[in-house]
Amino acid sequence: SQQGEEDPQALSIQEGENATMNCSYKTSINNLQWYRQNSGRGLVHLILIRSNEREKHSGRLRVTLDTSKKSSSLLITASRAADTASYFCATAYSGNTPLVFGKGTRLSVIA
Amino acid sequence: DVKVTQSSRYLVKRTGEKVFLECVQDMDHENMFWYRQDPGLGLRLIYFSYDVKMKEKGDIPEGYSVSREKKERFSLILESASTNQTSMYLCASSPTLRGDTIYFGEGSWLTVV
Repeated sequence: SQQGEEDPQALSIQEGENATMNCSYKTSINNLQWYRQNSGRGLVHLILIRSNEREKHSGRLRVTLDTSKKSSSLLITASRAADTASYFCATAYSGNTPLVFGKGTRLSVIA
Repeated sequence: DVKVTQSSRYLVKRTGEKVFLECVQDMDHENMFWYRQDPGLGLRLIYFSYDVKMKEKGDIPEGYSVSREKKERFSLILESASTNQTSMYLCASSPTLRGDTIYFGEGSWLTVV
């Protein structure tokens, strides 16, 4: 399976702290995406980073990509209780193939 | 605003019943997907379709079939539901298969008793 792996599986932090989640994958990619899922709901796209990019920002989100290590990280700064959700990375490989999702990191932000 | 609509949010079916999960997208996307989500296993692709009447197996197609008669509609069919198919089912769509953003529906919770 080409499924990516998120680390940690679960993360609990206080409001105002930063949250970092990592994703590792197995083969060369075209891009890597992060999605968010509120409990019991569908996934929502957060950010996409291409294989030739190293860092990308969107509001309080910062994503890095290290293709030599086949890994990415998602940083949420100054976390809020509303950030409580599961976060998934998804990798896009070459050719016409669907995205492959990891198993997710469950983030709990405690007010 | 883009929208993927799954017709049923919660369903309870009996073992052996034929179950239809319907999904409609309003974005004129070529590609549609059905995923299954279980605790600890993440999202697993059941089937996807890249055009009307075209379908491809995903990672876990056993026990499922799909139908895409119109571009905007993609149906997941459980021919004879079993208890191990109790799960959350997510439908999604995307413009291409070249790494585009995927848009998800809200999910359908299926319980087979």
